[in-house]
Amino acid sequence: DAKTTQPTSMDCAEGRAANLPCNHSTISGNEYVYWYRQIHSQGPQYIIHGLKNNETNEMASLIITEDRKSSTLILPHATLRDTAVYYCIVSPGGTASKLTFGTGTRLQVTL
Amino acid sequence: GAVVSQHPSWVICKSGTSVKIECRSLDFQATTMFWYRQFPKQSLMLMATSNEGSKATYEQGVEKDKFLINHASLTLSTLTVTSAHPEDSSFYICSARDGGYTEAFFGQGTRLTVV
Repeated sequence: DAKTTQPTSMDCAEGRAANLPCNHSTISGNEYVYWYRQIHSQGPQYIIHGLKNNETNEMASLIITEDRKSSTLILPHATLRDTAVYYCIVSPGGTASKLTFGTGTRLQVTL
Repeated sequence: GAVVSQHPSWVICKSGTSVKIECRSLDFQATTMFWYRQFPKQSLMLMATSNEGSKATYEQGVEKDKFLINHASLTLSTLTVTSAHPEDSSFYICSARDGGYTEAFFGQGTRLTVV
């Protein structure tokens, strides 16, 4: 699986947009970009994923560059409950495809 | 999304004993499940891939005789930590993918403390 690079930590004021970058320059054509987050002492929570196009759901938006070598997760209006470690992972979409976690970005949302 | 449930959420066991952790897919069938381990302030590390009806595939450095995995049905995989020692204390997490979804879903994790 391709590896990803994320900043170690980021801060964001509550109510503002949180933009979390991820580099995945060695991504393969069949690999999706997945974003998960982990709140302390819980299992990872799925946020969003995409292959080529930008995606949006009720939680976030995912912007993938045209060359697919990087992406940005956008939380449009961050709240204190969004404080977590965010993981960007690239992996094929099959049921047997494993997800390999990097170190992630620790997002701290403050008042 | 699909739901993956783990049991127990936390367990304390004595050194030298074995402990079993269950991972269930509640509303879908999972031919493949994954087991991860997470130490404090570290990321999730994949331990093994559990395959229904066949032997599990272990990642390099993971002792297959110590971490026994059984995936006897399409909705249940179990991880047994045998002869547990304090260094096995960790957060164990399972995940599975529903064939109807591209994403994987994770259980809530099991906190194991060996005393």
